[in-house]
Amino acid sequence: DVKVTQSSRYLVKRTGEKVFLECVQDMDHENMFWYRQDPGLGLRLIYFSYDVKMKEKGDIPEGYSVSREKKERFSLILESASTNQTSMYLCASSLLGRGETQYFGPGTRLLVL
Amino acid sequence: GNSVTQMEGPVTLSEEAFLTINCTYTATGYPSLFWYVQYPGEGLQLLLKATKADDKGSNKGFEATYRKETTSFHLEKGSVQVSDSAVYFCALRRMNNNNDMRFGAGTRLTVKP
Repeated sequence: DVKVTQSSRYLVKRTGEKVFLECVQDMDHENMFWYRQDPGLGLRLIYFSYDVKMKEKGDIPEGYSVSREKKERFSLILESASTNQTSMYLCASSLLGRGETQYFGPGTRLLVL
Repeated sequence: GNSVTQMEGPVTLSEEAFLTINCTYTATGYPSLFWYVQYPGEGLQLLLKATKADDKGSNKGFEATYRKETTSFHLEKGSVQVSDSAVYFCALRRMNNNNDMRFGAGTRLTVKP
């Protein structure tokens, strides 16, 4: 079974803190994605990566950065957390190719105070 | 641009009722279409998918048919169970090299015994 794990299920941080969210997949997938999920808005793509050290902006990259030093690991970084970044963060991975299914981690619920 | 619109929830049904969750899309070309399900406290799981017009995806009693002429991918189940209570997301795989997806806002389904 494909497994995507995220480092934390719940996080509480203070405004201005630097926050790291880690995601690891064990299926040798080329693509990895970070989404945020907010009520009424569905999932919105923050960043994705199709190879090691490669990254592309999604629809809402402002306030975020990413790092992919190894194929299996994709990190989302909030340089200076703000209250409007309180959300559920979902990581996903997939093989290359049109129509390939994305596999999701359990999510990290982040609260920024 | 590419987008997905799905019916607003919440939807509340009695056990064994018929379920339809409408989904329509806007896209260039022939995107792959997906339904994902999110059970309480979990990440998204693929429920079913269709990769070309007239394809029918099915899983766990759920079905959806890719209708190019109406740009729709409605989710149906003949007899819902309490365990089907979840949030359902319609999504399309964008027709570009990035392999990323567009999600609908999600529809919360509650099934009562």
